[in-house]
Amino acid sequence: SQQGEEDPQALSIQEGENATMNCSYKTSINNLQWYRQNSGRGLVHLILIRSNEREKHSGRLRVTLDTSKKSSSLLITASRAADTASYFCATDSTSGTYKYIFGTGTRLKVLA
Amino acid sequence: DGGITQSPKYLFRKEGQNVTLSCEQNLNHDAMYWYRQDPGQGLRLIYYSQIVNDFQKGDIAEGYSVSREKKESFPLTVTSAQKNPTAFYLCASSSLAYGYTFGSGTRLTVV
Repeated sequence: SQQGEEDPQALSIQEGENATMNCSYKTSINNLQWYRQNSGRGLVHLILIRSNEREKHSGRLRVTLDTSKKSSSLLITASRAADTASYFCATDSTSGTYKYIFGTGTRLKVLA
Repeated sequence: DGGITQSPKYLFRKEGQNVTLSCEQNLNHDAMYWYRQDPGQGLRLIYYSQIVNDFQKGDIAEGYSVSREKKESFPLTVTSAQKNPTAFYLCASSSLAYGYTFGSGTRLTVV
């Protein structure tokens, strides 16, 4: 089944630096979403980007989508210790179902 | 406040016992989902439901069962046939145009 694969699996940066994580997927999509998960908690929706969009911003978050390469990136600028979490991408399929497939996640650690 | 509620937060299961995890939403979402997450791993889909009285198997449905008698509720039963049930279980709901809303999860441990 199609799946988003995040890269890198783990990332450790200093507070104030930018963090970039990538997601690749296998089949055509309607949209792609990014989620954050703090340890032992549920996932929180960050951004949804549709297949006809190339870039989207939300506060310190910037998401890009390249459908020709079947990839997306999430950039967190001026990172804070509170950004420490796992980040997942999720992709749907163009069949129009509600079902999303989640990748394995990038574990981000921001050091104060 | 609108949201999705999972209970209990922690659950302990004895060998051979069935247990049921509760998931309730008041977001008026049509679709609901159950995912399993193992330590350091992504989410794997167990079951999902797009409308009341209908549900489909996900990638790892064996040993689990669900029902969808009401739009608001999507309980998951972990049966004795699930040989390795210790995991973090996440319920979610969605409308087609927007992202998922997740519950806070249930941590199930076999004792």
